[in-house]
Amino acid sequence: AQSVTQLDSHVSVSEGTPVLLRCNYSSSYSPSLFWYVQHPNKGLQLLLKYTSAATLVKGINGFEAEFKKSETSFHLTKPSAHMSDAAEYFCVVSDRINTGKLIFGQGTTLQVKP
Amino acid sequence: DGGITQSPKYLFRKEGQNVTLSCEQNLNHDAMYWYRQDPGQGLRLIYYSQIVNDFQKGDIAEGYSVSREKKESFPLTVTSAQKNPTAFYLCASKTMDRGKDYGYTFGSGTRLTVV
Repeated sequence: AQSVTQLDSHVSVSEGTPVLLRCNYSSSYSPSLFWYVQHPNKGLQLLLKYTSAATLVKGINGFEAEFKKSETSFHLTKPSAHMSDAAEYFCVVSDRINTGKLIFGQGTTLQVKP
Repeated sequence: DGGITQSPKYLFRKEGQNVTLSCEQNLNHDAMYWYRQDPGQGLRLIYYSQIVNDFQKGDIAEGYSVSREKKESFPLTVTSAQKNPTAFYLCASKTMDRGKDYGYTFGSGTRLTVV
């Protein structure tokens, strides 16, 4: 069975400081992992995805994530937070072998203070 | 431009009524999904369909029904049997071609409120 755990429900940073959103996963095979962002009352936007290519994945808006198999982690980072980064972030694993369905983490709310 | 269209954006339902949420995609994606989002609980899978005229229950299918008569369309009906339907509903689609990236596309969602 696959699962994903987001270790922080809420993260608060100051504008211009680094962002770290933590995610651990569990999968019986090599996973496909994603980070999505959701702004209030909006759909989900894909930030980046890992599908067994390079372990350091670069996404949109300056975000990146590193797949670490030994730690079963896929943490999302950004060197410098912007006010527009304030949103809900979801770490997601895909059941790519069978159904293609997505298994979501609980979400992390990122607050960016001026 | 290709994408997923969900309608309506906001929907109000009286208790005891059935309502249908629309999801249409022009991406030629094989698989379509319905997720429910509640505050602090992430997204949970309601139903999914990998091929026309076939669909499977997800994790929280009780009180919901779907159909997949066309590749482009995957409507979700929230029945009166759903005890707590107030939520944000998201539709998604993806190709099942294993030779391509597994790109999921999400609609912009429908917020359903029971009044």
